[in-house]
Amino acid sequence: EVQLVESGGGLVQAGGFLRLSCAASGFTFGSFWMSWVRHVPGKGLEWVANINEDGTANYFVDSVKGRFTISRDNAKNSLYLHLHSLRVEDTALYYCAKIGGQNDMNYPFDHWGQGTLVSVSS
Amino acid sequence: DIVMTQSPDSLAVSLGDRATINCKSSQTVLYSSNKKNYLAWYQQKPGQPPKLLISWASTRESGVPDRFSGSGSGTDFTLTISNLQAEDVAIYFCQHYYTVPYAFGQGTKLEI
Repeated sequence: EVQLVESGGGLVQAGGFLRLSCAASGFTFGSFWMSWVRHVPGKGLEWVANINEDGTANYFVDSVKGRFTISRDNAKNSLYLHLHSLRVEDTALYYCAKIGGQNDMNYPFDHWGQGTLVSVSS
Repeated sequence: DIVMTQSPDSLAVSLGDRATINCKSSQTVLYSSNKKNYLAWYQQKPGQPPKLLISWASTRESGVPDRFSGSGSGTDFTLTISNLQAEDVAIYFCQHYYTVPYAFGQGTKLEI
C-alpha cells in the first residue's frame, strides 16, 4: 500500500524558513516523479513543485521560484521542500503527491499524503 | 499558463439523481501525437486529501464506482455522477497535467 507522510509544518514569521519532509513507502520511490501541492485556506489547490526520479530536474510555480527548493533522498525514500523567505500568502496545507506514471511527469497525482500545515504570520 | 475553470461552483442534487460538473481549459490539453487528453478529476472530502477518480479525461481509476464518468476533449470536459449517493458529497476538482505549471479548477462543491 502506498503511503506518503508529511511533516515539518508549523507557525513561522514572514521571512522565515521551514523544511517539509515526506516519507514514502509502498512503491519504488526512485522510479517516480514527485510533487508538492498546496491547498490555500478558502481557495483551491495549487501545484507548487515537481522533482524527477533522481533529483536532477525540477520545476516550480512562478510564485515560489527563487524562494523554495525541492530535493529527494532515494536511499531514504524521502522528499523535501525547503521554504525560504516565507510570505503570509504561503500559508496553506502542503501535500506531498506521487505522480502516477513511471519515469514520466505528465501523469496525474495518484496518491497524496494527509498534508502538513504551514502558517506564516506577518 | 493554462487556466482551468469549473462550473458551477456549487451544486445541490437529490439522492439518486445525476450531477454534471464542467471544466474548461484556456488551451487544449489534447496532445496531438498520442490523442490523449491530459485531464484528471479528483474528489476531496472534508479532512481528507484529494482522491484521483478519473485520468486521461475518461479513464476511471481502479475501485472508483462506475457511476462516475468523464467525457470531453480538447478544452471542454465533464464529470458526470449518476445515481448520486450520500457518500458522493465532496468537492470535485479538475486538473490538467499537460505541461507545467499544472493547474486545478477552483472546485465544485456537491451537496445533497
